[in-house]
Amino acid sequence: QKEVEQNSGPLSVPEGAIASLNCTYSDRVSQSFFWYRQYSGKSPELIMSIYSNGDKEDGRFTAQLNKASQYVSLLIRDSQPSDSATYLCAVNRGGAGSYQLTFGKGTKLSVIP
Amino acid sequence: NAGVMQNPRHLVRRRGQEARLRCSPMKGHSHVYWYRQLPEEGLKFMVYLQKENIIDESGMPKERFSAEFPKEGPSILRIQQVVRGDSAAYFCASSPGMDSPLHFGNGTRLTVT
Repeated sequence: QKEVEQNSGPLSVPEGAIASLNCTYSDRVSQSFFWYRQYSGKSPELIMSIYSNGDKEDGRFTAQLNKASQYVSLLIRDSQPSDSATYLCAVNRGGAGSYQLTFGKGTKLSVIP
Repeated sequence: NAGVMQNPRHLVRRRGQEARLRCSPMKGHSHVYWYRQLPEEGLKFMVYLQKENIIDESGMPKERFSAEFPKEGPSILRIQQVVRGDSAAYFCASSPGMDSPLHFGNGTRLTVT
């Protein structure tokens, strides 16, 4: 059974610090990896996608992928109170937008001013 | 450029009633996906549709649930004879193609009393 595991949190970090969010997955043939941000009562919003091993940076966000360890992480530098949300890790078997995304339950991040 | 539009935002139904959830994809998007998010659970894939076709409904319960995406008009997720366990947030997503990221709507929160 395909699974995506995340620590549920809450993860609390002070404003300006680095927030580190982790995700492991069980399906070895997973090809595409996504991080979504979901504010309470709102829809998931895609913030990062990564398809190959290594780091991918976009502004204050860095996604890291290690397929051998079946591990993907998201780093948020200079964390802001507006980053407080639930972060969902999602993976699929193939194709950049393959519909059968498997989501983790999410990690709740709280950035303390 | 309007995003994915879902209505209603909140829907309350008594046990045994029918629930109809609507989703209008983003302009130019012909692929629609429905996901369900139970309390304290991750998003779960339900069904993937293109215009007038159900491509994959493997995540949808075999009974009481149905979905359509007619040639004209929004996609409809229909739940007949609702039970309390159907209470959840139902998210619709769309994309212009299978290899494109998913864009989610704000969801319909169904409460069954």
